[in-house]
Amino acid sequence: SQQGEEDPQALSIQEGENATMNCSYKTSINNLQWYRQNSGRGLVHLILIRSNEREKHSGRLRVTLDTSKKSSSLLITASRAADTASYFCATAARSNYGQNFVFGPGTRLSVLP
Amino acid sequence: DAGVIQSPRHEVTEMGQEVTLRCKPISGHNSLFWYRQTMMRGLELLIYFNNNVPIDDSGMPEDRFSAKMPNASFSTLKIQPSEPRDSAVYFCASRGQGLLFFGPGTRLTVL
Repeated sequence: SQQGEEDPQALSIQEGENATMNCSYKTSINNLQWYRQNSGRGLVHLILIRSNEREKHSGRLRVTLDTSKKSSSLLITASRAADTASYFCATAARSNYGQNFVFGPGTRLSVLP
Repeated sequence: DAGVIQSPRHEVTEMGQEVTLRCKPISGHNSLFWYRQTMMRGLELLIYFNNNVPIDDSGMPEDRFSAKMPNASFSTLKIQPSEPRDSAVYFCASRGQGLLFFGPGTRLTVL
């Protein structure tokens, strides 16, 4: 079953603007990760935030995590046309089977020059 | 390191045929995942292995799908017989340092 749910499903902005994508999940997690997928390619890991962290930065990326609301957000500042891609959140949780990763449906970001 | 390698990159076949997808994980990664991606259903986890042992195959759609990992450097996903609804992009990913590293995917079209 789907764990993470991103919104919006699609986002279109102008170059230089900030882009914010949100993710909600249902169960307890060890960490939450954001991935990026360019058209026709595999997913690439962007950033990981652990369940005991509230905010993390990496370059132009800022991720927040609110475990009480079971939600996370990904902010891309000063967007560029090259940021055009789909962005997915993935929750990692341990189960009796080991550590599993469940992805949301993704947000399609278009950055217009 | 070449990253996760998948073959073939594209596969077009006719309904009823057997399809075998192949994956070589990153050396040293001991977990391997198979995902399927479609517009309608997004990314679905089919099965994953830890140390070559299948851990959770609850995502495998039906008995037509099977996966093996005979050693740490090779895994296959087989569909027999294939159906048009199996058309999708199939990704293999291996885990290292808690992160997933994805292959480029195999785009499968079943006519």
